[in-house]
Amino acid sequence: DAKTTQPPSMDCAEGRAANLPCNHSTISGNEYVYWYRQIHSQGPQYIIHGLKNNETNEMASLIITEDRKSSTLILPHATLRDTAVYYCIVPGNQFYFGTGTSLTVIP
Amino acid sequence: AAGVIQSPRHLIKEKRETATLKCYPIPRHDTVYWYQQGPGQDPQFLISFYEKMQSDKGSIPDRFSAQQFSDYHSELNMSSLELGDSALYFCASSLGFGGAEAFFGQGTRLTVV
Repeated sequence: DAKTTQPPSMDCAEGRAANLPCNHSTISGNEYVYWYRQIHSQGPQYIIHGLKNNETNEMASLIITEDRKSSTLILPHATLRDTAVYYCIVPGNQFYFGTGTSLTVIP
Repeated sequence: AAGVIQSPRHLIKEKRETATLKCYPIPRHDTVYWYQQGPGQDPQFLISFYEKMQSDKGSIPDRFSAQQFSDYHSELNMSSLELGDSALYFCASSLGFGGAEAFFGQGTRLTVV
C-alpha cells in the first residue's frame, strides 16, 4: 500500500474553506485515494475517493494533481461539526490508517 | 440505509477473561475488516476477510482470532485479556476486495479491568 503523509494538525475559521493536503508519491496507476474522517471516538466516516479526476460530493471536493502524487481535500464552508481527524488513505488491498490531520474549526 | 452493526457497544471484562465481539456488515457486503484503536491513537488494522476467507492480517495478537461466517457476519474472539487490550474495536465492511469504499460501524468499547 502506498504511504501517505499529512500534516498533523490544522486550524480553520468557521465558514472558510478547509484545505487538507496529502502526499502519496508512491501511488501506483490503478490505486485510488480515499478520505475518511473520525469525529471523537466515533467510527471513521467515508468522505470521498478518486483516481485521476477531481471529484465532488455533498461533503467535500477532492483535487488530485496531474502526477497523482498528492491530493487536497476541500471542505468548502467548514463548520464546527467538521472538527475531526482526517485520514488520507491509498488502500491498495486494505485500509491502513496512517497518522491523519487533526482539523480544528475555530468559531 | 442499513449500516454496519457492532455488538455489544460496550463490554467490561476482567484480566484473563475471554471476549467475543460481533460485526454485521452492510447487506451484500462480502468483505469485513477489524481495527483496534487505543486511547489517543489511530486505528490499527487487525485482520480482514473476503468471502469468508482471511484476506490479510495486521497487528493481531496470537490471543485473538476471528472468522467470517456463511451469512458474512464476523466475530473477533479475544482470550487471556490484558489491560492493554482496552480499546475501541471497529469493524468495517465493503463490497468487493481491493479498495472498494469501506463503511465503519460505531465500534465496541472494551474495558479490561
